[in-house]
Amino acid sequence: AQKVTQAQTEISVVEKEDVTLDCVYETRDTTYYLFWYKQPPSGELVFLIRRNSFDEQNEISGRYSWNFQKSTSSFNFTITASQVVDSAVYFCALIDDRDDKIIFGKGTRLHILP
Amino acid sequence: DAGVTQSPTHLIKTRGQQVTLRCSPKSGHDTVSWYQQALGQGPQFIFQYYEEEERQRGNFPDRFSGHQFPNYSSELNVNALLLGDSALYLCASIGIGQQETQYFGPGTRLLVL
Repeated sequence: AQKVTQAQTEISVVEKEDVTLDCVYETRDTTYYLFWYKQPPSGELVFLIRRNSFDEQNEISGRYSWNFQKSTSSFNFTITASQVVDSAVYFCALIDDRDDKIIFGKGTRLHILP
Repeated sequence: DAGVTQSPTHLIKTRGQQVTLRCSPKSGHDTVSWYQQALGQGPQFIFQYYEEEERQRGNFPDRFSGHQFPNYSSELNVNALLLGDSALYLCASIGIGQQETQYFGPGTRLLVL
């Protein structure tokens, strides 16, 4: 069965610190896609990144970076030099090759303190 | 290029009533999925529409139904509302040939009293 676990319910860091959000997933499929979404207080889910199961290359986009490791079924998200505007709930999610429904983790609420 | 839009933004209903939520997908997108997000939880998949038919369904009762129109817009209907139906309802659209990445609208916050 598919499952996404975000063990960190809530994290608080001081602005400019680096922070890593953990994500562990389970799937029986060999082809799957992993995502991170950001949900600010307005409620809209903002797409951040998609990773294919056959591409383990890590990715950096500005202050954001993602570490995908199939050996540990993890897809962690790091924000470097955090800013107050990064405060939001972050969801890790999974789609496998069998269907098109996204399986979300329960989210990590990130507080960036000024 | 407009993103995914949803209406209304907020809604208050009483138990037993029926509600209809609406979604217009992103331009160029032909598939619409609906999700329910309870407070403090991740979104849960309700169903997906493609070519005006329900293609896939999550673990939701028949009180939840939907429709997709020829212009790809979609409606979510919930009958016999329960207090537990109070949630943020999110619509996501998928681009033609891009089945993996779903783009979400701002959601409709439904409160059932």
